[in-house]
Amino acid sequence: GQSLEQPSEVTAVEGAIVQINCTYQTSGFYGLSWYQQHDGGAPTFLSYNALDGLEETGRFSSFLSRSDSYGYLLLQELQMKDSASYFCAVTYTGGGNKLTFGTGTQLKVEL
Amino acid sequence: GAGVSQSPSNKVTEKGKDVELRCDPISGHTALYWYRQRLGQGLEFLIYFQGNSAPDKSGLPSDRFSAERTGESVSTLTIQRTQQEDSAVYLCASSLFRRDYEQYFGPGTRLTVT
Repeated sequence: GQSLEQPSEVTAVEGAIVQINCTYQTSGFYGLSWYQQHDGGAPTFLSYNALDGLEETGRFSSFLSRSDSYGYLLLQELQMKDSASYFCAVTYTGGGNKLTFGTGTQLKVEL
Repeated sequence: GAGVSQSPSNKVTEKGKDVELRCDPISGHTALYWYRQRLGQGLEFLIYFQGNSAPDKSGLPSDRFSAERTGESVSTLTIQRTQQEDSAVYLCASSLFRRDYEQYFGPGTRLTVT
């Protein structure tokens, strides 16, 4: 089956910049999404990349390189409320329309 | 403008009992998904409905699991003869047609099988 790799944990200080990487299997790749999930909460959609390059939405940006089968989520001016799990998710052609989620990266923001 | 709702929010059941979980998607969203999330884990796809097309059941872990959806409205996920390994949070999500990458999730149902 298709699998995604992302770090299990990242720690950073308030005000800093952090990058969460995601690598995926190339075969049939269509697009990469990112979701945020606070403890006990529901996942919420952050961004989507289908083409190479950077997509910016406020303090959050997402990048995709199809040639490297790699993407990342960039969080700037970190705030305590950004402490959460971040999941990358891939849409594959031929896989129906479902998302395949990574195992998640737990981000801890410290003072 | 309501979001995705799910009920019950918590369910404790005895091993061997059947449970039914309900999901009410966002109005106008043709696609509906069910996921399972075990503690500290990622989201495991279970089943996908798109309009009146045949559902994608490829993620259902066993024949004890089934789901139905009436048109583009409410869906129910049924787990028969529950086992302890079924304990998890069951999440429902919906999306607009052809925007499967942008899913809106409900708060989930926390299922505990004792």
